[in-house]
Amino acid sequence: NAGVTQTPKFQVLKTGQSMTLQCAQDMNHEYMSWYRQDPGMGLRLIHYSVGAGITDQGEVPNGYNVSRSTTEDFPLRLLSAAPSQTSVYFCASSYSMQSTNTEAFFGQGTRLTVV
Amino acid sequence: AQTVTQSQPEMSVQEAETVTLSCTYDTSESDYYLFWYKQPPSRQMILVIRQEAYKQQNATENRFSVNFQKAAKSFSLKISDSQLGDAAMYFCAYRFLYNNNDMRFGAGTRLTVKP
Repeated sequence: NAGVTQTPKFQVLKTGQSMTLQCAQDMNHEYMSWYRQDPGMGLRLIHYSVGAGITDQGEVPNGYNVSRSTTEDFPLRLLSAAPSQTSVYFCASSYSMQSTNTEAFFGQGTRLTVV
Repeated sequence: AQTVTQSQPEMSVQEAETVTLSCTYDTSESDYYLFWYKQPPSRQMILVIRQEAYKQQNATENRFSVNFQKAAKSFSLKISDSQLGDAAMYFCAYRFLYNNNDMRFGAGTRLTVKP
């Protein structure tokens, strides 16, 4: 059981470059989210999705795009990387609100450095 | 907006002893979940324990237990018989019952376990 798989684990970008962080889950979860983790700030929500074809913004969405064409995949795109986007990124998934299982499952994170 | 505060950036405990990590939160809602997540150096986010706000009984999971004080909006984590493997970053998190996507995290407490 793979759970939530994120790739890559590490990435260095130059300012202005674009890239996509991949996230896939094999638990048939409806909900998927992207967070960024910065020192002293915990995890903050970037974008989320309640199902295929549906996405919405979280707390810190600027500079990021997402799409959800399938239940399994939820990629995060950085359109033009900036040093302020240097962070650790986590993808998470969970069942819908109707489920009694409230646990969010996290990927192993991507450490992104923008120089 | 809901906020989660962890006032202890760092804590240390002697192996086999007990330590309590503090968490307070601010919300106007009455139905919600609270969580403690552990993040070891591997970066993996691991659910330690969860508490449903409508349950008066404090949650326990083996050596981990919580002291949930709903009126005071306090949710502390007690780790008994601390082990070297407990050393990690611990995050307190809040999630409104009817919104699976917007989980709010505290800034984290780094726990060191001394042999």
